[in-house]
Amino acid sequence: NAGVTQTPKFQVLKTGQSMTLQCAQDMNHEYMSWYRQDPGMGLRLIHYSVGAGITDQGEVPNGYNVSRSTTEDFPLRLLSAAPSQTSVYFCASSLSGGLDTQYFGPGTRLTVL
Amino acid sequence: GESVGLHLPTLSVQEGDNSIINCAYSNSASDYFIWYKQESGKGPQFIIDIRSNMDKRQGQRVTVLLNKTVKHLSLQIAATQPGDSAVYFCAEKRSSRNQFYFGTGTSLTVIP
Repeated sequence: NAGVTQTPKFQVLKTGQSMTLQCAQDMNHEYMSWYRQDPGMGLRLIHYSVGAGITDQGEVPNGYNVSRSTTEDFPLRLLSAAPSQTSVYFCASSLSGGLDTQYFGPGTRLTVL
Repeated sequence: GESVGLHLPTLSVQEGDNSIINCAYSNSASDYFIWYKQESGKGPQFIIDIRSNMDKRQGQRVTVLLNKTVKHLSLQIAATQPGDSAVYFCAEKRSSRNQFYFGTGTSLTVIP
Protein backbone atom coordinates (compact mmCIF):
# COMPACT_ATOMS: atom_id res chain seq x y z
CA ASN A 1 0.00 0.00 0.00
CA ALA A 2 1.48 3.30 -1.09
CA GLY A 3 -1.24 5.23 0.77
CA VAL A 4 -1.77 8.76 -0.53
CA THR A 5 0.71 9.92 -3.16
CA GLN A 6 1.17 13.40 -4.59
CA THR A 7 3.12 14.77 -7.53
CA PRO A 8 5.09 16.90 -8.03
CA LYS A 9 6.88 17.52 -4.71
CA PHE A 10 7.95 21.01 -5.75
CA GLN A 11 6.72 23.40 -8.44
CA VAL A 12 7.50 26.97 -9.44
CA LEU A 13 5.03 28.82 -11.64
CA LYS A 14 4.80 32.27 -13.12
CA THR A 15 1.69 34.35 -12.51
CA GLY A 16 -1.02 33.37 -14.95
CA GLN A 17 0.26 29.87 -15.67
CA SER A 18 -1.94 26.86 -15.09
CA MET A 19 -1.06 23.47 -13.71
CA THR A 20 -2.49 20.33 -12.17
CA LEU A 21 -1.43 18.84 -8.86
CA GLN A 22 -1.88 15.09 -8.86
CA CYS A 23 -3.21 13.00 -5.98
CA ALA A 24 -3.85 9.28 -5.86
CA GLN A 25 -4.73 6.76 -3.16
CA ASP A 26 -4.76 2.97 -3.25
CA MET A 27 -6.86 2.34 -0.14
CA ASN A 28 -10.24 2.37 -1.92
CA HIS A 29 -11.26 5.43 0.06
CA GLU A 30 -14.43 7.19 -0.99
CA TYR A 31 -13.56 10.58 0.54
CA MET A 32 -10.72 12.69 -0.79
CA SER A 33 -9.81 16.30 -0.12
CA TRP A 34 -7.33 19.05 -0.85
CA TYR A 35 -5.90 21.44 1.74
CA ARG A 36 -3.49 24.30 1.67
CA GLN A 37 -1.14 25.05 4.52
CA ASP A 38 0.21 28.55 5.06
CA PRO A 39 2.56 29.76 7.82
CA GLY A 40 0.76 30.50 11.07
CA MET A 41 -2.51 29.06 9.82
CA GLY A 42 -4.16 25.71 10.17
CA LEU A 43 -4.87 23.50 7.20
CA ARG A 44 -7.67 24.98 5.14
CA LEU A 45 -9.96 22.90 2.98
CA ILE A 46 -10.05 23.80 -0.73
CA HIS A 47 -12.28 21.13 -2.27
CA TYR A 48 -13.43 17.68 -1.35
CA SER A 49 -15.13 14.66 -2.88
CA VAL A 50 -17.31 12.02 -1.25
CA GLY A 51 -17.05 9.66 -4.20
CA ALA A 52 -16.39 9.38 -7.91
CA GLY A 53 -18.30 12.02 -9.83
CA ILE A 54 -19.09 14.10 -6.73
CA THR A 55 -17.15 17.18 -5.64
CA ASP A 56 -17.88 20.13 -3.41
CA GLN A 57 -16.25 23.34 -2.27
CA GLY A 58 -14.45 23.79 0.97
CA GLU A 59 -13.40 26.90 2.83
CA VAL A 60 -11.09 28.44 0.17
CA PRO A 61 -12.12 27.17 -3.31
CA ASN A 62 -11.54 30.28 -5.43
CA GLY A 63 -8.93 29.81 -8.15
CA TYR A 64 -9.02 26.02 -7.98
CA ASN A 65 -10.93 23.31 -9.83
CA VAL A 66 -11.23 19.62 -9.10
CA SER A 67 -12.76 16.54 -10.69
CA ARG A 68 -13.15 12.97 -9.52
CA SER A 69 -13.51 10.59 -12.46
CA THR A 70 -12.18 7.57 -10.53
CA THR A 71 -12.12 6.52 -6.89
CA GLU A 72 -8.31 6.56 -6.89
CA ASP A 73 -7.51 9.99 -8.34
CA PHE A 74 -8.37 13.53 -7.29
CA PRO A 75 -6.41 16.16 -9.25
CA LEU A 76 -6.37 19.83 -8.27
CA ARG A 77 -6.15 22.39 -11.06
CA LEU A 78 -4.91 25.93 -10.75
CA LEU A 79 -6.50 27.82 -13.60
CA SER A 80 -4.40 31.00 -13.56
CA ALA A 81 -1.80 30.96 -10.82
CA ALA A 82 -1.45 33.96 -8.52
CA PRO A 83 1.23 34.75 -5.90
CA SER A 84 -1.46 34.32 -3.21
CA GLN A 85 -1.56 30.64 -4.16
CA THR A 86 2.02 30.12 -3.01
CA SER A 87 1.55 27.45 -0.35
CA VAL A 88 2.03 23.82 0.54
CA TYR A 89 -0.80 21.66 -0.75
CA PHE A 90 -1.87 18.43 0.88
CA CYS A 91 -4.19 15.79 -0.41
CA ALA A 92 -5.97 13.52 2.08
CA SER A 93 -8.35 10.60 1.99
CA SER A 94 -10.59 8.69 4.35
CA LEU A 95 -12.80 5.67 4.05
CA SER A 96 -16.15 7.44 3.94
CA GLY A 97 -15.79 11.03 5.10
CA GLY A 98 -17.70 10.22 8.26
CA LEU A 99 -16.13 9.70 11.65
CA ASP A 100 -13.07 7.97 10.29
CA THR A 101 -9.40 8.78 10.07
CA GLN A 102 -8.11 11.04 7.35
CA TYR A 103 -4.70 10.16 5.89
CA PHE A 104 -2.46 12.73 4.24
CA GLY A 105 -0.06 12.70 1.33
CA PRO A 106 3.48 14.13 1.53
CA GLY A 107 2.51 17.50 0.04
CA THR A 108 3.39 19.71 -2.93
CA ARG A 109 5.28 22.93 -2.29
CA LEU A 110 4.13 25.50 -4.84
CA THR A 111 5.70 28.88 -5.46
CA VAL A 112 4.05 31.40 -7.76
CA LEU A 113 6.29 34.23 -8.91
CA GLY B 1 -17.21 29.84 11.75
CA GLU B 2 -15.33 26.96 13.24
CA SER B 3 -12.53 27.54 15.65
CA VAL B 4 -9.99 25.04 16.79
CA GLY B 5 -7.14 26.56 18.71
CA LEU B 6 -4.13 25.65 20.74
CA HIS B 7 -3.16 27.20 24.06
CA LEU B 8 0.58 27.39 23.37
CA PRO B 9 2.33 27.74 20.00
CA THR B 10 5.63 26.23 21.26
CA LEU B 11 6.60 23.71 23.89
CA SER B 12 10.07 22.58 24.97
CA VAL B 13 10.57 19.50 27.13
CA GLN B 14 13.51 17.48 28.38
CA GLU B 15 14.01 14.06 26.89
CA GLY B 16 12.31 11.48 29.08
CA ASP B 17 9.76 13.91 30.51
CA ASN B 18 6.07 13.77 29.71
CA SER B 19 4.59 16.29 27.27
CA ILE B 20 1.10 17.73 27.31
CA ILE B 21 -0.27 19.57 24.30
CA ASN B 22 -3.63 21.28 24.61
CA CYS B 23 -6.37 22.17 22.16
CA ALA B 24 -9.61 24.10 22.55
CA TYR B 25 -12.55 23.76 20.21
CA SER B 26 -15.59 25.97 19.94
CA ASN B 27 -18.31 23.79 18.44
CA SER B 28 -20.11 21.69 21.02
CA ALA B 29 -21.55 19.55 18.21
CA SER B 30 -18.11 18.22 17.29
CA ASP B 31 -18.06 14.50 17.82
CA TYR B 32 -14.76 13.28 16.42
CA PHE B 33 -11.23 14.46 17.11
CA ILE B 34 -7.84 13.56 15.74
CA TRP B 35 -4.31 14.45 16.76
CA TYR B 36 -1.74 14.69 13.98
CA LYS B 37 2.04 14.97 14.05
CA GLN B 38 3.81 16.88 11.30
CA GLU B 39 7.56 16.73 10.84
CA SER B 40 9.35 19.34 8.81
CA GLY B 41 8.72 18.91 5.08
CA LYS B 42 6.25 16.06 5.53
CA GLY B 43 2.51 15.59 5.57
CA PRO B 44 0.49 15.29 8.79
CA GLN B 45 0.68 11.83 10.31
CA PHE B 46 -2.20 10.34 12.30
CA ILE B 47 -1.38 9.78 15.98
CA ILE B 48 -4.60 9.02 17.78
CA ASP B 49 -8.31 9.78 17.59
CA ILE B 50 -11.23 9.93 19.97
CA ARG B 51 -14.98 10.09 19.61
CA SER B 52 -17.19 12.27 21.74
CA ASN B 53 -18.67 9.31 23.60
CA MET B 54 -15.27 8.74 25.20
CA ASP B 55 -13.24 10.78 27.72
CA LYS B 56 -9.90 9.09 27.28
CA ARG B 57 -8.10 6.92 24.80
CA GLN B 58 -4.63 5.46 25.00
CA GLY B 59 -2.16 4.43 22.37
CA GLN B 60 1.49 3.59 22.43
CA ARG B 61 3.06 6.30 24.68
CA VAL B 62 0.19 8.67 23.82
CA THR B 63 -3.06 9.45 25.57
CA VAL B 64 -5.82 11.75 24.41
CA LEU B 65 -8.19 13.30 26.92
CA LEU B 66 -11.47 14.90 25.96
CA ASN B 67 -13.37 17.26 28.24
CA LYS B 68 -16.63 18.09 26.51
CA THR B 69 -17.81 20.33 29.33
CA VAL B 70 -15.11 22.90 28.63
CA LYS B 71 -14.52 21.85 25.02
CA HIS B 72 -10.92 20.93 25.58
CA LEU B 73 -8.70 18.23 24.12
CA SER B 74 -5.21 17.27 25.21
CA LEU B 75 -2.48 14.99 23.95
CA GLN B 76 -0.12 13.46 26.47
CA ILE B 77 3.14 11.95 25.29
CA ALA B 78 4.93 9.76 27.82
CA ALA B 79 8.72 9.62 28.04
CA THR B 80 9.19 12.14 25.26
CA GLN B 81 11.95 11.27 22.79
CA PRO B 82 13.90 13.42 20.31
CA GLY B 83 11.91 11.79 17.51
CA ASP B 84 8.78 13.35 18.98
CA SER B 85 9.98 16.81 17.99
CA ALA B 86 7.42 18.07 15.48
CA VAL B 87 4.34 20.23 15.12
CA TYR B 88 1.18 18.70 16.58
CA PHE B 89 -2.31 19.57 15.29
CA CYS B 90 -5.70 18.79 16.60
CA ALA B 91 -8.63 18.44 14.21
CA GLU B 92 -12.32 18.24 14.91
CA LYS B 93 -15.31 17.12 12.93
CA ARG B 94 -19.05 16.85 13.19
CA SER B 95 -20.76 13.82 11.75
CA SER B 96 -23.17 16.15 9.94
CA ARG B 97 -20.38 17.93 8.05
CA ASN B 98 -17.94 16.60 5.45
CA GLN B 99 -15.11 18.72 6.77
CA PHE B 100 -12.38 18.64 9.37
CA TYR B 101 -11.27 21.85 11.07
CA PHE B 102 -7.66 22.17 12.10
CA GLY B 103 -5.83 24.16 14.73
CA THR B 104 -2.68 26.10 13.90
CA GLY B 105 -0.40 23.64 15.66
CA THR B 106 2.00 23.47 18.60
CA SER B 107 5.69 23.07 17.93
CA LEU B 108 7.22 20.53 20.32
CA THR B 109 10.98 20.57 20.82
CA VAL B 110 12.61 17.80 22.80
CA ILE B 111 15.87 18.78 24.48
CA PRO B 112 18.35 15.88 24.72
